[in-house]
Amino acid sequence: QSALTQPASVSGSPGQAITISCTGSTSDIGDYNYVSWYRQHPGKAPRLLIYDVSKRPSGVSNRFSGSKSGNTASLTISGLQAEDEADYYCASYTGSSTYVFGTATKVSVL
Amino acid sequence: EVQLVESGGVVVPPGESLKLSCAASGFTFDEYTMHWVRQAPGKGLEWLSLITWNSVATFYADSVKGRFTISRDNNKNSLFLHMTTLRTEDTAFYYCAKSFDYYFDDWGQGTLVTVSS
Repeated sequence: QSALTQPASVSGSPGQAITISCTGSTSDIGDYNYVSWYRQHPGKAPRLLIYDVSKRPSGVSNRFSGSKSGNTASLTISGLQAEDEADYYCASYTGSSTYVFGTATKVSVL
Repeated sequence: EVQLVESGGVVVPPGESLKLSCAASGFTFDEYTMHWVRQAPGKGLEWLSLITWNSVATFYADSVKGRFTISRDNNKNSLFLHMTTLRTEDTAFYYCAKSFDYYFDDWGQGTLVTVSS
């Protein structure tokens, strides 16, 4: 199972909105509404931001939103803040009880 | 508060074996599927394996199938990963994570395994 494809980097100014894409195939994103997103600060464990394409766990800011179209999922961060500077990963269920992560996107706040 | 604490990471020569542990607390361990995910230094996340709440089923990524074995002890709230025939490319931080559904809702801080002669 190949990793999902994400842009290597995305940047934005404080207060702006950015969108990170995550492209898979009909075997993962296209076939299941089980896309999740994670944020990882340097030296820290990943943290769940979005699950089931667009649902937010309790405690996660409503600045984070998710969507999906075909084989591509997207994470939008609105009102960009300095603390959003981190690596972001998407993940998808691939069937047969296996999972695949994305290639990671480094978000920079200018 | 959910806590997942991995341990067992060391420097090990290629071809050797190693067993990692993950101690869980703050939630009802035997109600959750548990996973291992790894991250090579400076690289991305790679899902490795899962075990259902009752150990009835286990699943593996192709990259570790046949070499790694996941197990759990619900009486001790612990998750394990037994790794054999280690390769230099297995060098990574190893995270345990829990899931109630199709996502990883809590993660440990990771333990570093270095495969080197």
